[in-house]
Amino acid sequence: DIQMTQSPSLLSASVGDRVTLSCKASQNIYKYLNWYQQKLGEAPKLLIYYTNSLQTGIPSRFSGSGSGTDYTLTISSLQPEDVATYFCQQYNSWPLTFGSGTKLEIK
Amino acid sequence: EVQLVESGGGLVQPGRSLKLSCLASGFTFSNYGMNWIRQAPGKGLEWVASISSSSSYIYYADTVKGRFTISRDNAKNTLYLQMTSLRSEDTALYYCARSVYTTDYYYSDYWGQGVMVTVSS
Repeated sequence: DIQMTQSPSLLSASVGDRVTLSCKASQNIYKYLNWYQQKLGEAPKLLIYYTNSLQTGIPSRFSGSGSGTDYTLTISSLQPEDVATYFCQQYNSWPLTFGSGTKLEIK
Repeated sequence: EVQLVESGGGLVQPGRSLKLSCLASGFTFSNYGMNWIRQAPGKGLEWVASISSSSSYIYYADTVKGRFTISRDNAKNTLYLQMTSLRSEDTALYYCARSVYTTDYYYSDYWGQGVMVTVSS
């Protein structure tokens, strides 16, 4: 199984900051990576698919990048409504696996 | 509007069975694959099972293989998860999610609100 490691587990940043979340796969996943946002008490929401494709309706301050084993979700200017836990997920091979999440807080 | 509504959860004793349902609306259900994904209290997301649009392809996590069965009834726009031999570690909020897949894409673009399953004596 492909292990997904997210870092940091907790991130505190100020409104307006540029924020970078990392996700590392245990083997090459050939950009087959999605990012989901989960706010407290809500179902996850798709943000980014196939490493860098922005889901319809998601603000352009969110972007994704990466290749091989290393991937990044960037928020260009952090907003209060971005407080959430962010999960990466690989679909290069079964079983589908998620990272353990990065909890993003406002400082 | 796409809607996914799970039902069938509850409190069940270890070793017993439970069947979850997910009623879909707002899209052509038979054109999409579907997933079950769960989240233990205070924990992260764990993929459980996936089924293709025509039920031709089915995949399970090793943690549920042989105990859980995913199925669908396209005439009823409903996804199912039959869970048997339940264990305490199956306690979680179970989400159904619509999947979109192509050569390069496989993602869950709509999720239900989840249904809670608690396995305890």
